[in-house]
Amino acid sequence: ETGVTQTPRHLVMGMTNKKSLKCEQHLGHNAMYWYKQSAKKPLELMFVYSLEERVENNSVPSRFSPECPNSSHLFLHLHTLQPEDSALYLCASSQGREQTGHEQFFGPGTRLTVL
Amino acid sequence: KNQVEQSPQSLIILEGKNCTLQCNYTVSPFSNLRWYKQDTGRGPVSLTIMTFSENTKSNGRYTATLDADTKQSSLHITASQLSDSASYICVVSAAGAGGNKLVFGAGTILRVKS
Repeated sequence: ETGVTQTPRHLVMGMTNKKSLKCEQHLGHNAMYWYKQSAKKPLELMFVYSLEERVENNSVPSRFSPECPNSSHLFLHLHTLQPEDSALYLCASSQGREQTGHEQFFGPGTRLTVL
Repeated sequence: KNQVEQSPQSLIILEGKNCTLQCNYTVSPFSNLRWYKQDTGRGPVSLTIMTFSENTKSNGRYTATLDADTKQSSLHITASQLSDSASYICVVSAAGAGGNKLVFGAGTILRVKS
């Protein structure tokens, strides 16, 4: 799969587990995003990275911890999650930040279930 | 408060029929509006983008309209196919001093039956 890839595609974890979601973009973009998508609700922007620097954090609980080691890779580290955190987590990238109106390209998402 | 409302929440149509999805927004100041298609198990893919001065934009069997005065947009799908079954998301970009902010609708789930 080209463009934006995410692994794993599905993840089931207990509330005491620690896991990480991975995103990789092959488009040469310099901005990357994490979104949470719950059923029948709009996408919720969680984090924005621009040139590997976190530029936005939308009041996300500390049990979600992002990491951007380079402009092509983005991680979301998860620990002590709650059942209400079960959702589809989408990664996206764009040539410039959303502020500049550049189109965001989305990955397929990771379907997360917290037991 | 910037909001995007989409209707209907879900829709079932027969293959070959046309349908129209609605998007009403209260986003201000307006920068642009995109329609995304999200297949099950996939991420959203952009179908069209419209700026303030554009009234209509087509992408194959998809035609988006924009009325900036009434703050409404529609996505018309012609001669629907089974592959059109997906969620369609309206996203409005709000311009601001700090740059654009995206406001997402909750989406319309379309199911095309044979």
